[in-house]
Amino acid sequence: KAGVTQTPRYLIKTRGQQVTLSCSPISGHRSVSWYQQTPGQGLQFLFEYFSETQRNKGNFPGRFSGRQFSNSRSEMNVSTLELGDSALYLCASSLPSSGANVLTFGAGSRLTVL
Amino acid sequence: GENVEQHPSTLSVQEGDSAVIKCTYSDSASNYFPWYKQELGKGPQLIIDIRSNVGEKKDQRIAVTLNKTAKHFSLHITETQPEDSAVYFCVIMNRDDKIIFGKGTRLHILP
Repeated sequence: KAGVTQTPRYLIKTRGQQVTLSCSPISGHRSVSWYQQTPGQGLQFLFEYFSETQRNKGNFPGRFSGRQFSNSRSEMNVSTLELGDSALYLCASSLPSSGANVLTFGAGSRLTVL
Repeated sequence: GENVEQHPSTLSVQEGDSAVIKCTYSDSASNYFPWYKQELGKGPQLIIDIRSNVGEKKDQRIAVTLNKTAKHFSLHITETQPEDSAVYFCVIMNRDDKIIFGKGTRLHILP
């Protein structure tokens, strides 16, 4: 059974650019959530998608957005990149139930903004 | 808002000794308390979880205890081994179903 796949693994962008990250969940998992991990702030919840709908959202500016496709694959987009957006972006998938779910994480996409 | 404090931030223990990591949380509707382990270059992985209708759960060398009255839960690792070296995170879920991670504990197992 394939795990959660995130692409690309590494990328470098410059300030002002935008970036799109992709996440393929485990087969059968319909919930996908995204997290930003930095040394200073730790792991912070960005948003969660279920059945192509955003079900929950963290406290990030509108520059951070996401979507989910009918096959449960998800993308997140960050526009007008800032230096502080440099981070490891993690995606996790879980089974389609509400409340307490076991999250299975991908290895992450490491974004560096210059 | 919801918050979870995790201590210590760094922990070094001799191989074979025990390690304990503690998390305290503020007013939370969470009834599910998982612990995740993150190794270098990888995403976090669930290692153990507990639900609020039990006080303790054990899985081989790993155990989690929960005290809902005092609002804290702890991870216990006994007979530590080199492969236990990693960053460990506690997690709660607030009443809005938002997932909140502790800041993490970097565990070093000394030879």
